[in-house]
Amino acid sequence: DADVTQTPRNRITKTGKRIMLECSQTKGHDRMYWYRQDPGLGLRLIYYSFDVKDINKGEISDGYSVSRQAQAKFSLSLESAIPNQTALYFCATSDFPGRAFFGQGTRLTVV
Amino acid sequence: GQQLNQSPQSMFIQEGEDVSMNCTSSSIFNTWLWYKQDPGEGPVLLIALYKAGELTSNGRLTAQFGITRKDSFLNISASIPSDVGIYFCAGPLGRGGGADGLTFGKGTHLIIQP
Repeated sequence: DADVTQTPRNRITKTGKRIMLECSQTKGHDRMYWYRQDPGLGLRLIYYSFDVKDINKGEISDGYSVSRQAQAKFSLSLESAIPNQTALYFCATSDFPGRAFFGQGTRLTVV
Repeated sequence: GQQLNQSPQSMFIQEGEDVSMNCTSSSIFNTWLWYKQDPGEGPVLLIALYKAGELTSNGRLTAQFGITRKDSFLNISASIPSDVGIYFCAGPLGRGGGADGLTFGKGTHLIIQP
């Protein structure tokens, strides 16, 4: 089983709908991250968390929110999805600065 | 945030050839990282560099932390088909050495022709 598991793997949703992407990890790491990948743009940080009570905005947090339900679970929400949020979303954990372990990604399409 | 300029954008090479790619930053980094992404997967860490001038190898991969602390290089020797993928350089977003998240280059897409 994967150490960092994202669900769903693929999702198509309509503009204006609320959607949640979930991430769970079995690595026992405190630090968790959500990144977004667009073609030709690399990965950009949305939010990160050092523990359940510590949530921080990343480079591109507008239009997104997160919840750290437990050390092992970190979910990303789009309150009202819009087409330019169509992207590949990655969850990651880290045990040492810079050393990130990524999930397999969620491909989100907003129509 | 910091901008990382990665080049080349793509490379078409023959199996067995050596590969070189580089990354430059508009600001000084205290950590440089190289990740590889296979199709349908998340990025995987290849090499981490923590000191200016450092040269680190991982099998056929060698990466260097530039003396100016504004650049880094990745070399792959004797490429094989499984080297195909997208290679990303990355550095810390904040002052936490990467604990606050990473900034990524746009990637070098490596394609190996039989």
